[in-house]
Amino acid sequence: AQKITQTQPGMFVQEKEAVTLDCTYDTSDPSYGLFWYKQPSSGEMIFLIYQGSYDQQNATEGRYSLNFQKARKSANLVISASQLGDSAMYFCAMREGPNDMRFGAGTRLTVKP
Amino acid sequence: AAGVIQSPRHLIKEKRETATLKCYPIPRHDTVYWYQQGPGQDPQFLISFYEKMQSDKGSIPDRFSAQQFSDYHSELNMSSLELGDSALYFCASSLGNRVVETQYFGPGTRLLVL
Repeated sequence: AQKITQTQPGMFVQEKEAVTLDCTYDTSDPSYGLFWYKQPSSGEMIFLIYQGSYDQQNATEGRYSLNFQKARKSANLVISASQLGDSAMYFCAMREGPNDMRFGAGTRLTVKP
Repeated sequence: AAGVIQSPRHLIKEKRETATLKCYPIPRHDTVYWYQQGPGQDPQFLISFYEKMQSDKGSIPDRFSAQQFSDYHSELNMSSLELGDSALYFCASSLGNRVVETQYFGPGTRLLVL
């Protein structure tokens, strides 16, 4: 069964605007971690932000913030003030056990000038 | 800051050949993970090592094997290569293997099997 769902295959945003990338997850484990990674066309996987299941506050890292709604099992990534360099594939991932991390199918974000 | 190093960055092999991918984790990181990302797909977990012992196994074919050495670097050995093995292979590392530990990815090895 799919554990991580990203329902937006592609998204467009105007430069300098904010954009929200959706991610829902499925787990019965009370302890888990949620991660967002960025993959530019060059291929590398860049860690953006992390949210733990026991964290009370939403995670923020610069222009990235995570809208964590535990009861709804969603962990949406918000990118503020979009830049052209934000154009990339974005993956949401979840880690339940000590090792295995599962990824969603990804959302391709295109920032328009 | 030092990042995960993978070599080679690109590799071209013929069917039925063997390949060895190498991964050097971030200094002091004791946990290494291997992922396979096919074209247009999300990364799939293959195998991981914590403190030089295999700790978890995912969708790794029997033709593949891996190990982590005393200096914490890891190698993924792939034998009897098939066309479907063409993919981007990532190594990631973390400090510890708890669920809260962030996995930092290397630049990947792009393998093409002809």
